Amino acid sequence: QTVVTQEPSLTVSPGGTVTLTCASSTGAVTSRYYPNWFQQKPGQAPRALIYSTSDKHSWTPARFSGSLLGGKAALTLAGVQPEDEAEYFCLLYYRDVQSWVFGGGTKLTVL
Amino acid sequence: QVQLVESGGGVVQPGRSLRLSCAGTGFTFSNNDMHWVRQAPGKGLEWVAMISYDGSKKYYAGSVKGRFTISRDNSKNMMFLQMDSLRPEDTAIYSCAKGLMGPLAVTGPLRPPSDFGGQGTLVTVSS
Repeated sequence: QTVVTQEPSLTVSPGGTVTLTCASSTGAVTSRYYPNWFQQKPGQAPRALIYSTSDKHSWTPARFSGSLLGGKAALTLAGVQPEDEAEYFCLLYYRDVQSWVFGGGTKLTVL
Repeated sequence: QVQLVESGGGVVQPGRSLRLSCAGTGFTFSNNDMHWVRQAPGKGLEWVAMISYDGSKKYYAGSVKGRFTISRDNSKNMMFLQMDSLRPEDTAIYSCAKGLMGPLAVTGPLRPPSDFGGQGTLVTVSS
């Protein structure tokens, strides 16, 4: 069974920079996994931030960026704002089984 | 703007069935792939299933394959999830999501979810 792993929690200071990562139990994450990133605040529906590794939706703030880093998908927040405190989920595509798999989520605290 | 409203959840015994619905407005429903995503209470997101814009292609997570069936009625701007042989581990809030628009070369072979519904609908499987 495929497992997608994220840091359970991270803490960052306002104005700081933080990178969240997303690893696959099958090996290195590449662009062929079409990594997506989502933000979810308590009691709210998820909001899509990044698709296809690094492409932003029209509503995605400029301080969010996606990349591949050391065999993982990565989401970097530069100049973190208090309103960025949320849980972040990555989503990877698995071609062999034609399905998407979410990571377990990273709870980001801005403190 | 995009509005997605889920309904049909409830309490059901293990082994029984339930049918969820998703109504889409504010966009051209028949042009969009659609997804079901679920979230167990206090847990993370789990992708469940996707149906292509015309209903011709359907994809499922391994955990529900053979038990759940996704379908749509573009004439009514509706999507459905027929859930059979329900298990306690299927207990979750089920949300529908609109698929990302764009060429497959950019989005990936299965267009990912891009706009989620509101509050979702809670399914509780318990005896």
